[in-house]
Amino acid sequence: GESVGLHLPTLSVQEGDNSIINCAYSNSASDYFIWYKQESGKGPQFIIDIRSNMDKRQGQRVTVLLNKTVKHLSLQIAATQPGDSAVYFCAETQFGGYNKLIFGAGTRLAVHP
Amino acid sequence: DAGITQSPRHKVTETGTPVTLRCHQTENHRYMYWYRQDPGHGLRLIHYSYGVKDTDKGEVSDGYSVSRSKTEDFLLTLESATSSQTSVYFCATGPDSFSYEQYFGPGTRLTVT
Repeated sequence: GESVGLHLPTLSVQEGDNSIINCAYSNSASDYFIWYKQESGKGPQFIIDIRSNMDKRQGQRVTVLLNKTVKHLSLQIAATQPGDSAVYFCAETQFGGYNKLIFGAGTRLAVHP
Repeated sequence: DAGITQSPRHKVTETGTPVTLRCHQTENHRYMYWYRQDPGHGLRLIHYSYGVKDTDKGEVSDGYSVSRSKTEDFLLTLESATSSQTSVYFCATGPDSFSYEQYFGPGTRLTVT
């Protein structure tokens, strides 16, 4: 909800620009990574995922990049729209661990017209 | 929200009282999870279930217990609520061990006074 977003780092972009949201993950043994979007008052919603044997994956208007050397994940959103305004979380997990996710603290994306 | 409901959606309770939150899913997903979300912490796993009557602790399980007597229901109980348990609680489900995506419910905002 809104109270969560107030304490987060914020990325402000103009409508139509590209956005890049970064995430440093914690466990070098993680096998799988997911980006979630959370709108105010709602639960997180899946955006895109990537396995550790990949370094890039593209979806519709979104691209995830994975750099295992420095344990870094990024989410690129092309032609950002007002509807993209939300809090974005990265999450990581390991195969065989009941799919338990470890979430990052999140980044708030604010899109201005 | 993949057919996930949480009840109640909002609750205010006093310190020391027991509280039970309910998660109900209609997707027949095997895995279920309880998270709490607090400013600056993202989502943290409280408990999870990998089948009926099969549960285990997550990252922040102290003060919480869970039960799963049916596939569709996962209950989270605060035995004696404390102010530090004021939070937004999310339930999530996952189909099986081969799918790492989790589907989230709408959340329950709990305030302990």
